[in-house]
Amino acid sequence: RKEVEQDPGPFNVPEGATVAFNCTYSNSASQSFFWYRQDCRKEPKLLMSVYSSGNEDGRFTAQLNRASQYISLLIRDSKLSDSATYLCAVFSGAGSYQLTFGKGTKLSVIP
Amino acid sequence: DADVTQTPRNRITKTGKRIMLECSQTKGHDRMYWYRQDPGLGLRLIYYSFDVKDINKGEISDGYSVSRQAQAKFSLSLESAIPNQTALYFCATSEIGGVGYTFGSGTRLTVV
Repeated sequence: RKEVEQDPGPFNVPEGATVAFNCTYSNSASQSFFWYRQDCRKEPKLLMSVYSSGNEDGRFTAQLNRASQYISLLIRDSKLSDSATYLCAVFSGAGSYQLTFGKGTKLSVIP
Repeated sequence: DADVTQTPRNRITKTGKRIMLECSQTKGHDRMYWYRQDPGLGLRLIYYSFDVKDINKGEISDGYSVSRQAQAKFSLSLESAIPNQTALYFCATSEIGGVGYTFGSGTRLTVV
């Protein structure tokens, strides 16, 4: 099983729709979790951290399920500008000390 | 100016040539990383460094070497470039105890 797995998509959704992405991780000792956004041919940029209690930033909600070892990202009221690839990233801490990224899920928001 | 600067932005080189990609940062972070990104394969770690005297291999270090010349500079070298090293290369930084990465704008390398 790969360390961090995401559905590659693409997810094609109309403007205003709600869309959710999941990301599973294999290392139960993983400590920190993140969602990054990457526009075509650009660098990844941190979208939000994912906390055990869940966290929300405007239209974006991130959640962590440690028992099932997955994180999720929910985007409400999708905008055309949300079109991008969304990468999940997992920090495993001791013995690793670096982020492992999923391959990304591509989202296209359609007018 | 960008917090993490990569040069060059684009480069086309011939098979067998030596090439160096450079990364400099103004964030004062101790930790620096080199990743490559290929379509369908995502971001893969090549090398990382936690301070000037620390160099560690990542997932795909074969064919690459690095140099950490100073806290702010981390360069990646391809000693003898081959076509399957054609990719988008990213440098990233993070602070000790912090795990959020800041990426440079990337270097698009084509080996012909």
